[in-house]
Amino acid sequence: QSVLTQPPSASGTPGQRVTISCSGSSSNIGSNYVYWYQQLPGTAPKLLIYRNSQRPSGVPDRFSGSKSGTSASLAISGLRSEDEADYYCAAWDDSLSGRGVFGTGTKVTVL
Amino acid sequence: QVQLQESGPGLVKPSETLSLTCTVSGGSVSSGSYYWSWIRQPPGKGLEWIGYIYYSGSTNYNPSLKSRVTISVDTSKNQFSLKLISVTAADTALYYCARDFGASSWFDPWGQGTLVTVSS
Repeated sequence: QSVLTQPPSASGTPGQRVTISCSGSSSNIGSNYVYWYQQLPGTAPKLLIYRNSQRPSGVPDRFSGSKSGTSASLAISGLRSEDEADYYCAAWDDSLSGRGVFGTGTKVTVL
Repeated sequence: QVQLQESGPGLVKPSETLSLTCTVSGGSVSSGSYYWSWIRQPPGKGLEWIGYIYYSGSTNYNPSLKSRVTISVDTSKNQFSLKLISVTAADTALYYCARDFGASSWFDPWGQGTLVTVSS
């Protein structure tokens, strides 16, 4: 069902930099903004990045987003134990009558 | 700040109708700046956008669910609701409501979610 493709897992030790990719197509990432959500265990998703690279108030600057063509990336620098969570990218897809689409999700583990 | 809270039955029988309500506090569903979405997550799986509604009643649904979904809004109660007909076990999921910035996949904030299990 997921239209956007992410690696299932990523990991790093505390302090390291971890990058998560999100691959889409011309009808979604290629023509619309990308959003990133963090889902801590047992909780609802939380907005992490909006409009490709903007951070909502309260989100540490360790989190950064970028987009190029039909792909996007989320980087976590200075990895911390509390960053262990599932991360989802999302975008609007212009195909059919338009719909919201999410990535497959990436589980980040802090070793 | 805006908060959203889902409510409704946690257990629905196969072939029946799933009905959930999202109550908005700290803000108004009548605000012309936002849309209001439903999103679901099967246990252990990823997120799926179900659809959104604008305060005027205008809706947009995921084509994969369009034939079975209705989202409505009650501005007098500051609530919006989800109805999903003819449910099967595949509709078992955590159901979230969220404020939507409109045709964008920009959802903020989210409700805490409510688990709906489809089982006889």
